[in-house]
Amino acid sequence: GDSVTQMEGPVTLSEEAFLTINCTYTATGYPSLFWYVQYPGEGLQLLLKATKADDKGSNKGFEATYRKETTSFHLEKGSVQVSDSAVYFCALRGSTLGRLYFGRGTQLTVWP
Amino acid sequence: DAGVIQSPRHEVTEMGQEVTLRCKPISGHDYLFWYRQTMMRGLELLIYFNNNVPIDDSGMPEDRFSAKMPNASFSTLKIQPSEPRDSAVYFCASSLTGGGGIEQFFGPGTRLTVL
Repeated sequence: GDSVTQMEGPVTLSEEAFLTINCTYTATGYPSLFWYVQYPGEGLQLLLKATKADDKGSNKGFEATYRKETTSFHLEKGSVQVSDSAVYFCALRGSTLGRLYFGRGTQLTVWP
Repeated sequence: DAGVIQSPRHEVTEMGQEVTLRCKPISGHDYLFWYRQTMMRGLELLIYFNNNVPIDDSGMPEDRFSAKMPNASFSTLKIQPSEPRDSAVYFCASSLTGGGGIEQFFGPGTRLTVL
């Protein structure tokens, strides 16, 4: 069945460091892929998405490229800020209409 | 746009009591989802509806949990009787029918504490 595996956290970085959070998926067909972010005390909100192979989603300095050959959708940012501290979720929408399959989430803490 | 509205935002109750969580989806959205988030289990999908009809309730942990969607603008998640292990943050989300890139919009969550 459809599933997402993302790297375990927590991830702790200094401000301006490079960020990578790995995400791989299992799905039949051609899923759409998402990264959601959850700031403390809030619900999840969409960060970026990609709907077909080789698409790159980007937002707020974050990027992720849909790699079908490696079934991956890794999240990257060149220079993190304290305000990026949050939990990041990788998700996919596969053959099941409507629902998303979420990874476990990765806690990111950025220190000044 | 008001977004997804959940109430209450916080609920503290004693074991054995009935708890009802409420959700108002974004107007026009035809999918509604209930999730539970805990440190141990992460984010779990409990149940989801399409056009007010339950599609998949396989994530509902046991018969103590029930969910209804009497109309397109309102849904409830009920726990009766509640237990301490039900303590979690419960999220409601909604979305439109559409292509694979359709976004789910989450509410702010209800933090439930069962003593």
